[in-house]
Amino acid sequence: DAGVIQSPRHEVTEMGQEVTLRCKPISGHDYLFWYRQTMMRGLELLIYFNNNVPIDDSGMPEDRFSAKMPNASFSTLKIQPSEPRDSAVYFCASSVAGAYNEQFFGPGTRLTVL
Amino acid sequence: GQNIDQPTEMTATEGAIVQINCTYQTSGFNGLFWYQQHAGEAPTFLSYNVLDGLEEKGRFSSFLSRSKGYSYLLLKELQMKDSASYLCAVKQNQAGTALIFGKGTTLSVSS
Repeated sequence: DAGVIQSPRHEVTEMGQEVTLRCKPISGHDYLFWYRQTMMRGLELLIYFNNNVPIDDSGMPEDRFSAKMPNASFSTLKIQPSEPRDSAVYFCASSVAGAYNEQFFGPGTRLTVL
Repeated sequence: GQNIDQPTEMTATEGAIVQINCTYQTSGFNGLFWYQQHAGEAPTFLSYNVLDGLEEKGRFSSFLSRSKGYSYLLLKELQMKDSASYLCAVKQNQAGTALIFGKGTTLSVSS
């Protein structure tokens, strides 16, 4: 099992540029989560999907952030335009449904916006 | 509102026992998770409690009191590799919804 795959692992960009983060969940998992982690705010949920459908995007900070899941094996998180305060580690996680749904995290994308 | 509190930092020595506390106030409760996160890595699952009491898994144990909104993670026979951040997270609903994470407790184990 390859686990959750994220790309790129590191991204450095300049303010105003578009950034696209990618995630491949574990095969067979029907939930996908996008989190952001910073020292100040810890690990925060941005959005999650169930069977490719967005369920809760209340954590998406602003309209500059958007996420899609066109199929069961791929999701993107896009920031346009990016700002320095978006600098963080972005994690994707996946799980199966059920009362005990352990989430499996990808390695994360470290984003730096200059 | 939603609130999960953990101490920011703790230190301990090899071979010792350490207890990391977590208190929570959430609009719903359907389980509490503990995750371990080494520096620069992803969080990994340690334990899950949904009923009151103690769950033991090797050197790690986790306790839950739902009436008090309280949990702790107990680490025994500490090793240097246990130096990491420990995240407490609450699941609010029975369905596969997201977790609300505390900010984590950074544990430093010294020899």
